[in-house]
Amino acid sequence: KNEVEQSPQNLTAQEGEFITINCSYSVGISALHWLQQHPGGGIVSLFMLSSGKKKHGRLIATINIQEKHSSLHITASHPRDSAVYICAVGSYNTDKLIFGTGTRLQVFP
Amino acid sequence: DTGVSQDPRHKITKRGQNVTFRCDPISEHNRLYWYRQTLGQGPEFLTYFQNEAQLEKSRLLSDRFSAERPKGSFSTLEIQRTEQGDSAMYLCASSLVPLQETQYFGPGTRLLVL
Repeated sequence: KNEVEQSPQNLTAQEGEFITINCSYSVGISALHWLQQHPGGGIVSLFMLSSGKKKHGRLIATINIQEKHSSLHITASHPRDSAVYICAVGSYNTDKLIFGTGTRLQVFP
Repeated sequence: DTGVSQDPRHKITKRGQNVTFRCDPISEHNRLYWYRQTLGQGPEFLTYFQNEAQLEKSRLLSDRFSAERPKGSFSTLEIQRTEQGDSAMYLCASSLVPLQETQYFGPGTRLLVL
């Protein structure tokens, strides 16, 4: 069993829809990261959180430490949101990241 | 552009050849990480440095792999006697501790071993 699991693996949506991507982890963490990867490989950090909720524009990330679960929400999705969204957890002391396999999101106009 | 650069962006090599990749982190960042990503998978940790000290190496990093960060600034990752299974995207990331900032990723070096 992977230490970080994401669901769904693939997601398609119509423009304007509300999107939710889920992440569960089984190890102790210092923080949880949500990352965005576009075709071509570049990874951009969206959120780093260790408790509660963070919001940036149309993106919202939440984490429940007790349940070892996090969600990434995209409101009013847009075709430019199409990318792979990766959940990663940072281990204690080293902060090396353990990654999920990613959720491929396609938003159609 | 995150401020982390990697060179080259693409590398094609024949099996058995040696390759070296370079990562230039954000200048004040003291931590530097190397990750490897194969097609359709999330990245996997390879190794990390705090300043010039290599503090941890993954078991994925066989003895054909070596990484250095000689002056605590840029880092190199060398793969000796490349194998087809080494074909992957090699990602570098940097961060500043103890501020617990997020990691900033470079664009990656895509390696293809023929």
